[in-house]
Amino acid sequence: QSVLTQPPSVSAAPGQKVTISCSGSSSNIGNNYVAWYQQLPGTAPKLLIYDNDKRPPGIPDRFSGSKSGTSATLGITGLQSGDEADYYCGTWDSSLSAVFGGGTKLTVL
Amino acid sequence: EVQLVQSGAEVKKPGESLKISCKGSGYSFPSYWIGWVRQMPGKGLEWMGIISPGDSDTRYSPSFQGQVTISADKSITTAYLQWSSLKASDTAMYYCVRQRSPTLVGAIYWGQGTLVTVSS
Repeated sequence: QSVLTQPPSVSAAPGQKVTISCSGSSSNIGNNYVAWYQQLPGTAPKLLIYDNDKRPPGIPDRFSGSKSGTSATLGITGLQSGDEADYYCGTWDSSLSAVFGGGTKLTVL
Repeated sequence: EVQLVQSGAEVKKPGESLKISCKGSGYSFPSYWIGWVRQMPGKGLEWMGIISPGDSDTRYSPSFQGQVTISADKSITTAYLQWSSLKASDTAMYYCVRQRSPTLVGAIYWGQGTLVTVSS
């Protein structure tokens, strides 16, 4: 059971918007930066968002991140078939470890 | 170009030892932490621990403390993850990742992964 809680799956049609939630506590999200990763099958995770809401170079602005209290959200607009992947949130925890959510499988209908 | 290149896939028997590697290039290796992340088959990401190659300061996740050893040799810009006695439950993909610090989980650069299979 993961420290951070994500929905197991989300889905939306091409061109639509989807959000993925990540719920934690004051021990982790509440007091630390959040990152979001995309993992396509058979590949290493790819950083989409770091420090709650910053995009690395090359990540389109269709991807956005936000944090409020002990929860974080990844938003994806203009969905494309290539966005079908697993998405993970991650942050630091007071147990002295980085922690990740269980992952959310995005299906583009 | 920043790269983290990991050693190849391994097939081992329970009880055997193993050391896998992660070679960094294209940046100042001592200046960034190298973390290790486990992904068991069909499962999510688990952070194992991290090392600062500059001074070998090493931190372990409580879940992995005592189960693995993380080390680094800055002279050859390589970090390592090792087991003294493998178990079948160690079967997983292992990724190394370049982190700005232990508490900042957002990391752009990841190795390609090393698949470890432990089976009798």
